[in-house]
Amino acid sequence: GDSVTQMEGPVTLSEEAFLTINCTYTATGYPSLFWYVQYPGEGLQLLLKATKADDKGSNKGFEATYRKETTSFHLEKGSVQVSDSAVYFCALSDRGYSTLTFGKGTMLLVSP
Amino acid sequence: EAQVTQNPRYLITVTGKKLTVTCSQNMNHEYMSWYRQDPGLGLRQIYYSMNVEATDKGDVPEGYKVSRKEKRNFPLILESPSPNQTSLYFCASRPEKGTYTFGSGTRLTVV
Repeated sequence: GDSVTQMEGPVTLSEEAFLTINCTYTATGYPSLFWYVQYPGEGLQLLLKATKADDKGSNKGFEATYRKETTSFHLEKGSVQVSDSAVYFCALSDRGYSTLTFGKGTMLLVSP
Repeated sequence: EAQVTQNPRYLITVTGKKLTVTCSQNMNHEYMSWYRQDPGLGLRQIYYSMNVEATDKGDVPEGYKVSRKEKRNFPLILESPSPNQTSLYFCASRPEKGTYTFGSGTRLTVV
């Protein structure tokens, strides 16, 4: 079945550092890929998405590119802020869009 | 405001006492889904619904029931809760061609 693998956290960075959170997936066909963010005590919010190979999703300074050849969708940000501290989930959706398969999540902690 | 509303936000109950977690969306979405979130396991789908009177099992349906009698509501029912159902639960909804919007979560503790 479909699966998503993310790097384990926590990832600890200083403010203004460069962020990469790795995500790779296994799926049949051509899934859509997502990054969700969960701030402390809140639900999940869609951060960005990509629906086909070579698409780049971007939002709030975060970017991720759908790489079919490496089955990856790594999340990057050039300069993190304390307010980016949260748990980040990589996810994929099958063609029917009926389900989202999530990775286990990566906690990001940014210190001033 | 477009949103998915879950109630209650927090619930402590005892083993075997039936409970219902409600979920309502005001966006006229066709699809609704329940997930549970556990440390080290991420989010796993319990049940989903494609529309009224159309539901199907997700990855971890054991011990749960759902119903979809109205488009806006998708309650999660635990007939006989057990401690291994202690978790953080999320309801989500989406239009037929679109992305999921999540509720704020229900933290359930079964003692």
